[in-house]
Amino acid sequence: GAGVSQSPRYKVTKRGQDVALRCDPISGHVSLYWYRQALGQGPEFLTYFNYEAQQDKSGLPNDRFSAERPEGSISTLTIQRTEQRDSAMYRCASSLETSGSETQYFGPGTRLLVL
Amino acid sequence: LAKTTQPISMDSYEGQEVNITCSHNNIATNDYITWYQQFPSQGPRFIIQGYKTKVTNEVASLFIPADRKSSTLSLPRVSLSDTAVYYCLVGGGYQKVTFGIGTKLQVIP
Repeated sequence: GAGVSQSPRYKVTKRGQDVALRCDPISGHVSLYWYRQALGQGPEFLTYFNYEAQQDKSGLPNDRFSAERPEGSISTLTIQRTEQRDSAMYRCASSLETSGSETQYFGPGTRLLVL
Repeated sequence: LAKTTQPISMDSYEGQEVNITCSHNNIATNDYITWYQQFPSQGPRFIIQGYKTKVTNEVASLFIPADRKSSTLSLPRVSLSDTAVYYCLVGGGYQKVTFGIGTKLQVIP
């Protein structure tokens, strides 16, 4: 079956613009996670959803970052008024059930470059 | 959340067995230990998970001592394609997991 997909794969934007990153999880997966990964670092937790409910957004850097998953499937991570420091790989993962021990399946990521 | 400590990097020759140890002194009773592998330009990929003693699958083995304060990922007879970053994660009830920096394994011909 299809894995986690993310779009766009690459995004170049100018400072101050808003961007929306999309994640399409594996069908039937209840939990969806967003991470940010800088070069040479491990994925940094941003937020996660169980179904459509955002359970934890403590990893979002500031109020320019927001995420939603309105129908419990596709999720969008939005960054408003982008800054150069937002440049990174943004990764999405999904898991079948709502447990910290569940295997997370990662998508290919969206590489964001803010000029 | 249980904090993990693992070596930043390791080198190994092809064909050797590689053991990567992760320390997690404050692991909780309901925490599992999970290892992920990440190749450059790809997302992390699940390798193996265990709770106690030993777990083996087609890719690796995971050894967990009785006190569960550490775990060792064992990769038998590594090849060049095993060059990657390996992450040790500890979690159970909490869904917010921390990846850390991981261990960069370089397999040498």
